[in-house]
Amino acid sequence: QLQLQESGPGLVRPSETLSLTCSISGGSISNSVYYWGWIRQPPGKGLEWIGDIYYSGNTNYNMSLKNRVIISADTPQNQVSLRVTSVTVADTAVYFCARFNSRAAFQWGPGTLVTVSS
Amino acid sequence: QSALTQPASVSGSPGQSITISCTGSSSDIALYMFVSWYQFRPGKAPKMLIYDVTHRPSGISNRFSGSKSDNTASLTISGLQTEDEADYYCSSYSSSNTLVFGGGTKLTVL
Repeated sequence: QLQLQESGPGLVRPSETLSLTCSISGGSISNSVYYWGWIRQPPGKGLEWIGDIYYSGNTNYNMSLKNRVIISADTPQNQVSLRVTSVTVADTAVYFCARFNSRAAFQWGPGTLVTVSS
Repeated sequence: QSALTQPASVSGSPGQSITISCTGSSSDIALYMFVSWYQFRPGKAPKMLIYDVTHRPSGISNRFSGSKSDNTASLTISGLQTEDEADYYCSSYSSSNTLVFGGGTKLTVL
């Protein structure tokens, strides 16, 4: 059974870089049927799609994040990573990784809270 | 402000049916058959209920059903159960090559 688990620092200082890793078990990120992505939810607010990555390495990003986002894949480690640069308090959110197919997030990790604060 | 509009809350009694609406635009829901619905319960990983407007993934109860008309999608839950109490979010693919979400609807089972 596929399992996804987000990990990374829970506290990031303003202007620094947020880095998260999604570790996947029970399935390979090299499977061409699926692709992988990140979604976030600020406290008390709705969901925001951040971006995704295909087995080929091609990526798509939410342009509202103004080129601050990089999503990458580590095939040997079966992990997908997220980097958000120059963070502000507006980047405080629960970050979810997910496995996608047909423009839908079929499986989700439990999410991890990242707080941006000095 | 979310791209898709959902009611903030809905409620129903056990055994009843409820419908949650999700209103978008000509650039998302009206244009594509890529509408999905998700259930968020405290302490649990989010769960996908519906994809491609009407399809249920394996393991999802047939009490959950989806539909779409023009720029509005709907999620119907029949035979309400106390365990259905949760937050529900809709999503649609958009012509800007992004995935957009609704603001979420809190379902209370009275």
